[in-house]
Amino acid sequence: DAGVTQSPTHLIKTRGQHVTLRCSPISGHKSVSWYQQVLGQGPQFIFQYYEKEERGRGNFPDRFSARQFPNYSSELNVNALLLGDSALYLCASSLWQGKDTQYFGPGTRLTVL
Amino acid sequence: GENVEQHPSTLSVQEGDSAVIKCTYSDSASNYFPWYKQELGKRPQLIIDIRSNVGEKKDQRIAVTLNKTAKHFSLHITETQPEDSAVYFCAARPLRGGANNLFFGTGTRLTVIP
Repeated sequence: DAGVTQSPTHLIKTRGQHVTLRCSPISGHKSVSWYQQVLGQGPQFIFQYYEKEERGRGNFPDRFSARQFPNYSSELNVNALLLGDSALYLCASSLWQGKDTQYFGPGTRLTVL
Repeated sequence: GENVEQHPSTLSVQEGDSAVIKCTYSDSASNYFPWYKQELGKRPQLIIDIRSNVGEKKDQRIAVTLNKTAKHFSLHITETQPEDSAVYFCAARPLRGGANNLFFGTGTRLTVIP
């Protein structure tokens, strides 16, 4: 039973660059959410996608965007990287939107230099 | 929006003792309260959750209690073991617009001393 997978595991970028992070949900799950976890803090909600549509957005600037594909996998894009974007980016999947348990992937550790 | 506060930030207990972590939330529309355990460098793992129509839920050594009136919920771990050492996060999900976003507390680092 494969869990949520994310790629890459680690990533190092410089300020101003762009990054794309990828997530594959648990088989059969149609909802994907993205979270940012800064060191020493709890995860903070960025986006939720369900059936390829954005269903929720957290308090993040427009430099952050995401999309969901027909196979329910998802990409998170961050433009014009800042030092403060350094964090663990977590993807979570759930069966459907709204009332269900979320299962987290291992995360992508992004370092911005 | 929802605001979740978690206490204590660190907790050390002797092996075999109990540990209690407490959280409060602000949004009365929140109806789902999961707890996640995160070991160093690993993903958050769901250990137990409770929905607003239940006051208490237990799974072996782990239990969660919910007081909707006071807007607080707690995690109880009995007979702690060294492998329980990790950071624990509480979270709350407001039932608004169908979105499934969780609001997390700031975490409790639990250390179980052998």
